[in-house]
Amino acid sequence: EDKVVQSPLSLVVHEGDTVTLNCSYEVTNFRSLLWYKQEKKAPTFLFMLTSSGIEKKSGRLSSILDKKELSSILNITATQTGDSAIYLCAVDPQGAQKLVFGQGTRLTINP
Amino acid sequence: GAVVSQHPSRVICKSGTSVKIECRSLDFQATTMFWYRQFPKQSLMLMATSNEGSKATYEQGVEKDKFLINHASLTLSTLTVTSAHPEDSSFYICSQVRASTDTQYFGPGTRLTVL
Repeated sequence: EDKVVQSPLSLVVHEGDTVTLNCSYEVTNFRSLLWYKQEKKAPTFLFMLTSSGIEKKSGRLSSILDKKELSSILNITATQTGDSAIYLCAVDPQGAQKLVFGQGTRLTINP
Repeated sequence: GAVVSQHPSRVICKSGTSVKIECRSLDFQATTMFWYRQFPKQSLMLMATSNEGSKATYEQGVEKDKFLINHASLTLSTLTVTSAHPEDSSFYICSQVRASTDTQYFGPGTRLTVL
């Protein structure tokens, strides 16, 4: 069974801190890994990773995939209160866009 | 801006009634849409794949007679929860894939509460 595990499940930090969120996966096939941010409603897309070792960056957020370790990390530097959300990692194991999601990491940034 | 809309955003119904949730593509045509369910403090679980002009394909453990999916046009898919029970209370989210970016975009979700 395809599985995605995220850690930590919950994280509370102060504004300005840097955080690293982890995602590991066990899938029969691998096509891509995606990161989403979920605030009160539906997830919004952050990154899609397909190749190992290539960092994707968007502002203060960055992410990288390690296919050898079957994992990915999402980094957020200089965190702001607006970064508070649930961060979801998902894998597309078959290339059919049938995403398998992890449990999510609930990130809280305190002022 | 939003590319996928859902309606209603929130619905409360009595046990035994049926509820229809609409998912619309706002700026592109989607031959395939996906329906997910998210229980409180849990992650999203794929329920089914909605295919325009053909039957939906359901994930293991999802009852197709209970969760009726209709994808009658390239911009609209509907999910009907038939004879809803309290255990069906959940957050239902649809998504579509934009071919140009090969990325899945999610609707704002529908929170269903069955009393």
